[in-house]
Amino acid sequence: EAGVAQSPRYKIIEKRQSVAFWCNPISGHATLYWYQQILGQGPKLLIQFQNNGVVDDSQLPKDRFSAERLKGVDSTLKIQPAKLEDSAVYLCASSSIAGEGAGIQYFGAGTRLSVL
Amino acid sequence: EDQVTQSPEALRLQEGESSSLNCSYTVSGLRGLFWYRQDPGKGPEFLFTLYSAGEEKEKERLKATLTKKESFLHITAPKPEDSATYLCALIQGAQKLVFGQGTRLTINP
Repeated sequence: EAGVAQSPRYKIIEKRQSVAFWCNPISGHATLYWYQQILGQGPKLLIQFQNNGVVDDSQLPKDRFSAERLKGVDSTLKIQPAKLEDSAVYLCASSSIAGEGAGIQYFGAGTRLSVL
Repeated sequence: EDQVTQSPEALRLQEGESSSLNCSYTVSGLRGLFWYRQDPGKGPEFLFTLYSAGEEKEKERLKATLTKKESFLHITAPKPEDSATYLCALIQGAQKLVFGQGTRLTINP
């Protein structure tokens, strides 16, 4: 079974530029999550989708971050404009809502963003 | 507010030297605690879920236990390939995970 796919793996941009990350979850997983992981810290949830609806975006800096999950499958996370403090790894995860393993979040390898 | 604190921040062991990692938590109503392993440059990999005090789960050299205030990840006779950062997390809200900062474990041959 294919895992969670993310691209790109690495991105270097200058502050005030924009950037987008893409995630393809495990097939059949209704719930998709975007986390931000700053070096030396645990991941922090930015936004959670169930199908194509937002469940939790309470920690998403909405003045600069946006995310969408059209058709309830792939998702994109955008930052515009980027700040130095946005340098982090952006992780995508997905989980099923039923069956064996329901609720277990499976993570992609992440996108490492450096803002200069 | 729900909180997760892991200790130590880093731990260095010799191959075969058993030890335990600690995850202390405060939560109003535990719904579940997860353990993940994270290798450099990779996303977290699921290890265990624990739901109630007294529960234990094992996988190879790892055993996770849960009390009302903390969880332990016991590692028995570790090997160099067990070197990784170990993360614990609480379930909050609609399946959101609140992570601790992790314990970076190094096993020397």
